Amino acid sequence: GQQLNQSPQSMFIQEGEDVSMNCTSSSIFNTWLWYKQDPGEGPVLLIALYKAGELTSNGRLTAQFGITRKDSFLNISASIPSDVGIYFCAGRRSGGSNYKLTFGKGTLLTVNP
Amino acid sequence: SAVISQKPSRDICQRGTSLTIQCQVDSQVTMMFWYRQQPGQSLTLIATANQGSEATYESGFVIDKFPISRPNLTFSTLTVSNMSPEDSSIYLCSADRIGTDTQYFGPGTRLTVL
Repeated sequence: GQQLNQSPQSMFIQEGEDVSMNCTSSSIFNTWLWYKQDPGEGPVLLIALYKAGELTSNGRLTAQFGITRKDSFLNISASIPSDVGIYFCAGRRSGGSNYKLTFGKGTLLTVNP
Repeated sequence: SAVISQKPSRDICQRGTSLTIQCQVDSQVTMMFWYRQQPGQSLTLIATANQGSEATYESGFVIDKFPISRPNLTFSTLTVSNMSPEDSSIYLCSADRIGTDTQYFGPGTRLTVL
């Protein structure tokens, strides 16, 4: 099925560095969700964005809903080893049969202590 | 948030057998979904579990292979039927929390078919 373009595919960073990843789409979404998945676990919701231009923080995480409604980014500041995992973006349209989420392919984050 | 539990958490099954995965949500939810996640891949929607009626399947997934039940608002089951090694995957249940546009996931069921 349709997928979002998520980049980068993987990142290797040093502890303490900031991280940025993004998702883009050719079509508009009304909701953007960012998840983190640890090995052997289900995705955990990090941040939900509901409004174009919205900037939302959750601790060291900050995410923005692009003004065009076709993109979103996630920033992690001052990374720590437990930030390791796969980060997925997901977009949702609304109304009718548009309740399904469209997922990016994920960004694998490795943090070197 | 909605707390979602799944069982079993993992299983190793023989080819040709079937496995039923259970999903329980601790609060009121609207929609429930079942996903498959193959190793190193993103999530693929199998179907939307509809309360009291047949599930809505995505292209490539059929009821005979993945029968789904949702007898009430907070419980659903997915059966993987007549399994083959290609069915080895993580199966995830998810649900939309009522009154929000936010979807939460269960911990997943890791299935290995020999």
